[in-house]
Amino acid sequence: SQTIHQWPATLVQPVGSPLSLECTVEGTSNPNLYWYRQAAGRGLQLLFYSVGIGQISSEVPQNLSASRPQDRQFILSSKKLLLSDSGFYLCAWSAPGTGASTEAFFGQGTRLTVV
Amino acid sequence: GEDVEQSLFLSVREGDSSVINCTYTDSSSTYLYWYKQEPGAGLQLLTYIFSNMDMKQDQRLTVLLNKKDKHLSLRIADTQTGDSAIYFCADQFSGGYNKLIFGAGTRLAVHP
Repeated sequence: SQTIHQWPATLVQPVGSPLSLECTVEGTSNPNLYWYRQAAGRGLQLLFYSVGIGQISSEVPQNLSASRPQDRQFILSSKKLLLSDSGFYLCAWSAPGTGASTEAFFGQGTRLTVV
Repeated sequence: GEDVEQSLFLSVREGDSSVINCTYTDSSSTYLYWYKQEPGAGLQLLTYIFSNMDMKQDQRLTVLLNKKDKHLSLRIADTQTGDSAIYFCADQFSGGYNKLIFGAGTRLAVHP
């Protein structure tokens, strides 16, 4: 069966510090991978998605970047965090391909607080 | 670009029906989804509907799709306190790669 792991669950970081959130998926190959942010009162915002190793699409210009060094590994990074980067970050995966219905499976999320 | 909109809050009495509404802009949507988020957790798929369907029923859940108006709704019959959560509507963007665009989520509060 497929599983998705996301860590850490909670993170408190000072402004200006770097960030690295990691997400790994097991039990599937070549998944589509997503990073979403859920900010208070703003719902779920798609930040990045990836259809393959090294292929990253950015949805919103911001202080964050994403990388996919391996097929089932997706990393969200920042060189210098801003207060506005605080939020609940969710990693998700879905089956590859186009056209067919696809359920997205979510990790448990990382609560990031920038102080 | 593509967009999905939902009202942010809904309050219902236990035992009543809840109706959560969603509108989307993608004129070529293939699938539309409803996800549920419990407090402090990730999202879980509740149900989905293919764009050539008008209605789908799954136990207490009924999904209605008006493709002409690009309007999707989720009806929860006999709403219980355990249904209290945030409900997200999502559009499978037809531009490729099964990219999912989510609405802001509707917080459903069920009171006795």
